[in-house]
Amino acid sequence: SQTIHQWPATLVQPVGSPLSLECTVEGTSNPNLYWYRQAAGRGLQLLFYSVGIGQISSEVPQNLSASRPQDRQFILSSKKLLLSDSGFYLCAWSETQGASYEQYFGPGTRLTVT
Amino acid sequence: LAKTTQPISMDSYEGQEVNITCSHNNIATNDYITWYQQFPSQGPRFIIQGYKTKVTNEVASLFIPADRKSSTLSLPRVSLSDTAVYYCLVGMYNNNDMRFGAGTRLTVKP
Repeated sequence: SQTIHQWPATLVQPVGSPLSLECTVEGTSNPNLYWYRQAAGRGLQLLFYSVGIGQISSEVPQNLSASRPQDRQFILSSKKLLLSDSGFYLCAWSETQGASYEQYFGPGTRLTVT
Repeated sequence: LAKTTQPISMDSYEGQEVNITCSHNNIATNDYITWYQQFPSQGPRFIIQGYKTKVTNEVASLFIPADRKSSTLSLPRVSLSDTAVYYCLVGMYNNNDMRFGAGTRLTVKP
């Protein structure tokens, strides 16, 4: 069966510090991968998605970046965090082929920028 | 992308049937309608997806009228554990550009 992992689960970082969040998927090959951010009490905002190694599409201009160094690994980074980067970060994957339009989400990382 | 409109919140009681309606007036011919459920501090979970008429699974039913400009998620006999945020999404099958709105916060009371 497929599983998705994210770490760390929680993170407290000062403004201006770097960020690296990691997401890995097991049990599937060539998945589509996604990064979302959810501010407190709000809906999910799509940040990046990837359809393959090295292929990243950015949805929102910001100080965040994403990379996909391996087929089932997706990394979210920042060189300098802002207070507004605080939130709940979710990684998700979906099949590239199939009949269902379904994304599977990881447990999330709660980031607090102080 | 078709924009969706849902009620911000709804209250219900245990054992009742809950219907959450989503409006999507600009739905395109190839768009599917998908509903997700999200509990606090967790990622959303797929509930149901449909294109037209009615779809039913072990969790919910999805009713889509002929014009497809709206859809209704029906949860039979809700329990306290159904308290969550429910999102309606509209988009093409296997479209990577999935947009979550604010969703509907359902509170089930004893």
